[in-house]
Amino acid sequence: KAGVTQTPRYLIKTRGQQVTLSCSPISGHRSVSWYQQTPGQGLQFLFEYFSETQRNKGNFPGRFSGRQFSNSRSEMNVSTLELGDSALYLCASSLQGWNTEAFFGQGTRLTVV
Amino acid sequence: SQQGEEDPQALSIQEGENATMNCSYKTSINNLQWYRQNSGRGLVHLILIRSNEREKHSGRLRVTLDTSKKSSSLLITASRAADTASYFCATDAHYGQNFVFGPGTRLSVLP
Repeated sequence: KAGVTQTPRYLIKTRGQQVTLSCSPISGHRSVSWYQQTPGQGLQFLFEYFSETQRNKGNFPGRFSGRQFSNSRSEMNVSTLELGDSALYLCASSLQGWNTEAFFGQGTRLTVV
Repeated sequence: SQQGEEDPQALSIQEGENATMNCSYKTSINNLQWYRQNSGRGLVHLILIRSNEREKHSGRLRVTLDTSKKSSSLLITASRAADTASYFCATDAHYGQNFVFGPGTRLSVLP
């Protein structure tokens, strides 16, 4: 069974630009969650999508958005990038969300210069 | 503030020794999960323990849960250099909410 695939693995962007990250969950998993990991703040929850609907949202500004497609693949978008957005962005897929095991991708390392 | 807090923040042991990490949380939970992360990589799921369970095993891993003390522990027996990683506990803070991770315990296993 294929694992969670995140693309791209590495990304360098300049301030003010926007970026789109992609996550393909494990086949059959309907929940996709996104996390931001930085040395200072640790792992912080961005949002969760379930069956194409945003089900939960963390405390991030509106510059962070996402969506989920009918095949459960998900994208997250960050607009007007700031230096502080540099982080490892992790995607997790699970069958139902909070009550089931979550499997993570390798992450996308975003560097904003 | 974090729902889960791992303790200690860092731990160094010799190969073959046991490693114990603890996780404390603040509010009632439905389940608690432990993850491992090698440097800069994705998280690997280790064990999920539900609130009505007290102990679970998986290979060299043993997880306990004490809901009265709002704490969990992860024991790695006969540690290996390959166990060097950061270990996180994650709790479902509220019904329907997503997992909240603690800051992690950085484990170093010295050969």
